[in-house]
Amino acid sequence: ETGVTQTPRHLVMGMTNKKSLKCEQHLGHNAMYWYKQSAKKPLELMFVYSLEERVENNSVPSRFSPECPNSSHLFLHLHTLQPEDSALYLCASSQTGGGYYGYTFGSGTRLTVV
Amino acid sequence: GQQLNQSPQSMFIQEGEDVSMNCTSSSIFNTWLWYKQDPGEGPVLLIALYKAGELTSNGRLTAQFGITRKDSFLNISASIPSDVGIYFCAGQVGAQKLVFGQGTRLTINP
Repeated sequence: ETGVTQTPRHLVMGMTNKKSLKCEQHLGHNAMYWYKQSAKKPLELMFVYSLEERVENNSVPSRFSPECPNSSHLFLHLHTLQPEDSALYLCASSQTGGGYYGYTFGSGTRLTVV
Repeated sequence: GQQLNQSPQSMFIQEGEDVSMNCTSSSIFNTWLWYKQDPGEGPVLLIALYKAGELTSNGRLTAQFGITRKDSFLNISASIPSDVGIYFCAGQVGAQKLVFGQGTRLTINP
């Protein structure tokens, strides 16, 4: 596989469920990002990992918990979400600092909270 | 903080028309990037610009890096149905993270 792969592509979960989103990059990048994209809203940066360390957390509620076990994998653990958390969650990767070619995005996970 | 103002927010055009959108900022950027997002997918890089004044084409797409380094535009010529989507500009300074515009949603009437 090449590029940035996100699984699952679609997820429906109840407010009391616990689920995880997975992102994997095969580009040799060392920075990874989680973005939230709600309907008709701009991209919202949630978390930034650089060299497997979290370097940015943009006031994201604690019901979202990121994990970066190595430079190729990024997870977003979800628990007790709210309906307003329904959105497209995008993962991206880059060389540290954004790199010459910017970020490479995955296809996203469409999350619906019921 | 740095912000990008992208306009227009949405466009409704006829197939075959040319399209123009732009991004402006009060901050200077060293790199300008243009992305396209198809419905239900992640953004894909279209064009990258690295020098003030640079004009770069990718098929029917042309983008320019403004001389002041505070703006960029993207033109699409002879639009076709597959051009539908959201177009994002992004700017970067040095090793800092990318700053994204709010996006321009393009709708094409056949």
